Amino acid sequence: KNQVEQSPQSLIILEGKNCTLQCNYTVSPFSNLRWYKQDTGRGPVSLTIMTFSENTKSNGRYTATLDADTKQSSLHITASQLSDSASYICVVSDRGSTLGRLYFGRGTQLTVWP
Amino acid sequence: EADIYQTPRYLVIGTGKKITLECSQTMGHDKMYWYQQDPGMELHLIHYSYGVNSTEKGDLSSESTVSRIRTEHFPLTLESARPSHTSQYLCASSDGLAELYEQYFGPGTRLTVT
Repeated sequence: KNQVEQSPQSLIILEGKNCTLQCNYTVSPFSNLRWYKQDTGRGPVSLTIMTFSENTKSNGRYTATLDADTKQSSLHITASQLSDSASYICVVSDRGSTLGRLYFGRGTQLTVWP
Repeated sequence: EADIYQTPRYLVIGTGKKITLECSQTMGHDKMYWYQQDPGMELHLIHYSYGVNSTEKGDLSSESTVSRIRTEHFPLTLESARPSHTSQYLCASSDGLAELYEQYFGPGTRLTVT
């Protein structure tokens, strides 16, 4: 069964600190992996998209890594800011024989305290 | 910020009422999607469209219906709302297939059925 599991479920850090969020998946065949940021009451916004051949991608203070062999990804946030408080969702795409689909994780709820 | 709009943003309505959630995008995307999301849970695809006059049901069974008469417009209708329909509904669009191309999400409609 294709699944995407994220950890931790929630995380509280102090402003200025770094943190790392984890994503493990069993989706196969693999096409790409995305990280989204979803503010409360808003739609998700894309942070990074990585294909099989990419093992790291950065977007400002956000750096995503991908290990396609172990089917793991991480999102590292550097020098956190209050505006980083949000849910971070890992999404894995397959590319089946006829039509691909997206598999969504439940997200990690990050809270940044001043 | 993506040019995809949803109205209303919040809706509280009684059981048995007919409702239509509006979604419009100005990016000229052929592919549009409706997702349902409960708090702390993953997004579930309920409908998608690959172009005008094309609509398909998603992975999660839903009593809602959709239409795609114009490229930019993808409304979702519930003929008779029930408390079990209480959820957040997110509309999205993409320039190509969702599993290969970036999806852009609207801000969502928070529906409460009393």
